[in-house]
Amino acid sequence: NAGVTQTPKFQVLKTGQSMTLQCAQDMNHEYMSWYRQDPGMGLRLIHYSVGAGITDQGEVPNGYNVSRSTTEDFPLRLLSAAPSQTSVYFCASSWRGNTEAFFGQGTRLTVV
Amino acid sequence: KQEVTQIPAALSVPEGENLVLNCSFTDSAIYNLQWFRQDPGKGLTSLLLIQSSQREQTSGRLNASLDKSSGRSTLYIAASQPGDSATYLCAVGNTGNQFYFGTGTSLTVIP
Repeated sequence: NAGVTQTPKFQVLKTGQSMTLQCAQDMNHEYMSWYRQDPGMGLRLIHYSVGAGITDQGEVPNGYNVSRSTTEDFPLRLLSAAPSQTSVYFCASSWRGNTEAFFGQGTRLTVV
Repeated sequence: KQEVTQIPAALSVPEGENLVLNCSFTDSAIYNLQWFRQDPGKGLTSLLLIQSSQREQTSGRLNASLDKSSGRSTLYIAASQPGDSATYLCAVGNTGNQFYFGTGTSLTVIP
């Protein structure tokens, strides 16, 4: 059972480039979300989804885009990368809103 | 906006000691509270989930309590081991699986 899988694990981008961070879960979870983790700050919610076709913004959504076409996948798109988006990104999933959340291993992104 | 604070930021204890990690939050209207463990360069591992209607949860040497009215939760670790060394994160759950995280307590257990 793979759980929550994130790819890539590491990525270096140049300012202005775009890319997609992939997240997939094999637990048939309805809820999925993206967080970023920065030094000295707690994880902050970027976007979340409560089911296929339904997404909403979290605390820090600017510069990011998401879609949820299937239950399994929840990709995060950086439209035009900026150095301020250098961070570690985590994807999470849970069966419903009040159940245990499972996290992926993270994607470490550096924007130069 | 929910604010979550974890004290202390770092803790170093000798092996075998019992210890308590603290988490406080500003808005008591929560759905749940979850404690996670994070090892360096790794993802988050769920330790305990406490629903808003519960007072505590236990798993092995871990016990987490929740007092919504005072906005506090504690994670108690009994008989600490070097393998417990990690960062412990407290996350307060809102509807739709939106978590607000503290900045964590970095624990070192000295053999």
